[in-house]
Amino acid sequence: AQKVTQAQTEISVVEKEDVTLDCVYETRDTTYYLFWYKQPPSGELVFLIRRNSFDEQNEISGRYSWNFQKSTSSFNFTITASQVVDSAVYFCALSEATGYSTLTFGKGTMLLVSP
Amino acid sequence: DAGVIQSPRHEVTEMGQEVTLRCKPISGHNSLFWYRQTMMRGLELLIYFNNNVPIDDSGMPEDRFSAKMPNASFSTLKIQPSEPRDSAVYFCASGNTGTSGRYEQFFGPGTRLTVL
Repeated sequence: AQKVTQAQTEISVVEKEDVTLDCVYETRDTTYYLFWYKQPPSGELVFLIRRNSFDEQNEISGRYSWNFQKSTSSFNFTITASQVVDSAVYFCALSEATGYSTLTFGKGTMLLVSP
Repeated sequence: DAGVIQSPRHEVTEMGQEVTLRCKPISGHNSLFWYRQTMMRGLELLIYFNNNVPIDDSGMPEDRFSAKMPNASFSTLKIQPSEPRDSAVYFCASGNTGTSGRYEQFFGPGTRLTVL
């Protein structure tokens, strides 16, 4: 069975601080995908990134970066120079790379960025 | 390019009433997923379809829940009769699953259901 653990329930930072959201996963699959989604206060789920299990290169997109470490089954998300607009709940998710690719979500981490 | 469309966005009903949630997936996507989000249980997969065929409904909580996908552009999730514990945000998502193994899964805005 697949499992995603986001141990940080809530994080509070002050604007411009860097913040890292942790994600640890469990799967028996050798090939899988990892995701991050953002859920702002308005409620929609916004896709941020998908990472294939064969690709362990870190990725950077603007102020966002992701660190995938297969050895520790982790896929952490860092926001550099956080902004108030980053305040949201962030979900890490896992899916098999075969079959119908259903998503298993973590419980989410609520990030509050104050001015 | 329209995303996943869900209606209604908000629904308030009384216990015992029938509730129907609707979803229009992104054109060209072959898979459709219904999720439920609650504070206690987080995001849970209820059921998913591939090429309009239900593949796995093991996440559907009870027989009171049913889902259909009569064609590639429409799906419904019905709760009959509704109960207060069904109150949640229901998300529909669509994507493509193919032999390449690559796919996207995009979520609709959700329907916030309140059962009084």
